[in-house]
Amino acid sequence: RKEVEQDPGPFNVPEGATVAFNCTYSNSASQSFFWYRQDCRKEPKLLMSVYSSGNEDGRFTAQLNRASQYISLLIRDSKLSDSATYLCVLPEGGNNRKLIWGLGTSLAVNP
Amino acid sequence: EPEVTQTPSHQVTQMGQEVILRCVPISNHLYFYWYRQILGQKVEFLVSFYNNEISEKSEIFDDQFSVERPDGSNFTLKIRSTKLEDSAMYFCASRVPSGRASSISGANVLTFGAGSRLTVL
Repeated sequence: RKEVEQDPGPFNVPEGATVAFNCTYSNSASQSFFWYRQDCRKEPKLLMSVYSSGNEDGRFTAQLNRASQYISLLIRDSKLSDSATYLCVLPEGGNNRKLIWGLGTSLAVNP
Repeated sequence: EPEVTQTPSHQVTQMGQEVILRCVPISNHLYFYWYRQILGQKVEFLVSFYNNEISEKSEIFDDQFSVERPDGSNFTLKIRSTKLEDSAMYFCASRVPSGRASSISGANVLTFGAGSRLTVL
């Protein structure tokens, strides 16, 4: 299994839809996880941190399944502005000095 | 909101030339990083820097690469002799030490600069 694996998509959804992405990871010792958002040719920006079973922030919910080693990101009531690539990120080891990145899942929200 | 600034935003250079990419991290941050992203590929870790020395580097960060923080504010990445495959977006990032973060979640959060696009011809 790759360190961090994501379905690259693209996911094409209409405005208002609910969409979910999964990310699988290989290091069972990973304790923290991040979802970053990256717009085309821009820097990654932190969307959510996940330290326990999950996290929720408005329309965004992240859930962690340690037994199956995957984390998910759920976006409810999607907006046009949600169109971006969503990157699953794990710190390597426990020192947080080095982040391991997924390739990202591309989301296009259509009017 | 504090931000990490990077210059230049885009540099075009000839193969074999030296390139210096500059970053000004957030002022109270003490950990600094360089990442790169080749077009269409994953973001890749290059190097981390703390207390004026490299704390970790990846296989990509070979002898052609170097980092320094010459004046306590700028954090630079130098590529001595650029290759075609060095063409990428280079992102600088910084973070606050864990003990100084306002929350557990804040301790591990990297703030990225907008990136410097390097094109090697």
